[in-house]
Amino acid sequence: GQQLNQSPQSMFIQEGEDVSMNCTSSSIFNTWLWYKQEPGEGPVLLIALYKAGELTSNGRLTAQFGITRKDSFLNISASIPSDVGIYFCAGPVFNDYKLSFGAGTTVTVRA
Amino acid sequence: DAGVIQSPRHEVTEMGQEVTLRCKPISGHNSLFWYRQTMMRGLELLIYFNNNVPIDDSGMPEDRFSAKMPNASFSTLKIQPSEPRDSAVYFCASGMTGGIWREQYFGPGTRLTVT
Repeated sequence: GQQLNQSPQSMFIQEGEDVSMNCTSSSIFNTWLWYKQEPGEGPVLLIALYKAGELTSNGRLTAQFGITRKDSFLNISASIPSDVGIYFCAGPVFNDYKLSFGAGTTVTVRA
Repeated sequence: DAGVIQSPRHEVTEMGQEVTLRCKPISGHNSLFWYRQTMMRGLELLIYFNNNVPIDDSGMPEDRFSAKMPNASFSTLKIQPSEPRDSAVYFCASGMTGGIWREQYFGPGTRLTVT
């Protein structure tokens, strides 16, 4: 089946830093979704990408749909403490309703 | 705008008891999904409804699990009888499927603990 590999698994951020994470797939995806989940809450949709090469921003977040259609990137600029959480990438399996989720990137504030 | 609403937020029950989780999707959405999240397995899709009709229930782990969607604004997930291994966070999500759209919007979840 289609698998999404997300990296890094975890990262520590210092306020003001730019942060990057990525997601790769063994198959071509036509849609990439990026979610953020905070403790005790459900995943919140941050950005949706529908076209190869597309670059979309949502505030300090920017996501790109890779040209090969097998990867996507999420960048957080000038990170702040409330950016902590788990970031998931997701994409539809066989271009259908069923989403495959990455294992998540856990972002923590560096002490 | 109201997002997906789930109740209860927390449920603690004893093994063998019946558990019913409830979901109100976002108004106007035609698709509803029930997920289960655990540390070991991450997010797993249990069942998918489209226009109130169950389309794919291949993720429902056992016959102890059942889901209904009697109308466009309400769905239930029932576990009977419950077992300790059912302990997890259960999410409901809704979306508009059709065309290119694949976005799903999640509720806050129900944390289920079966003792």
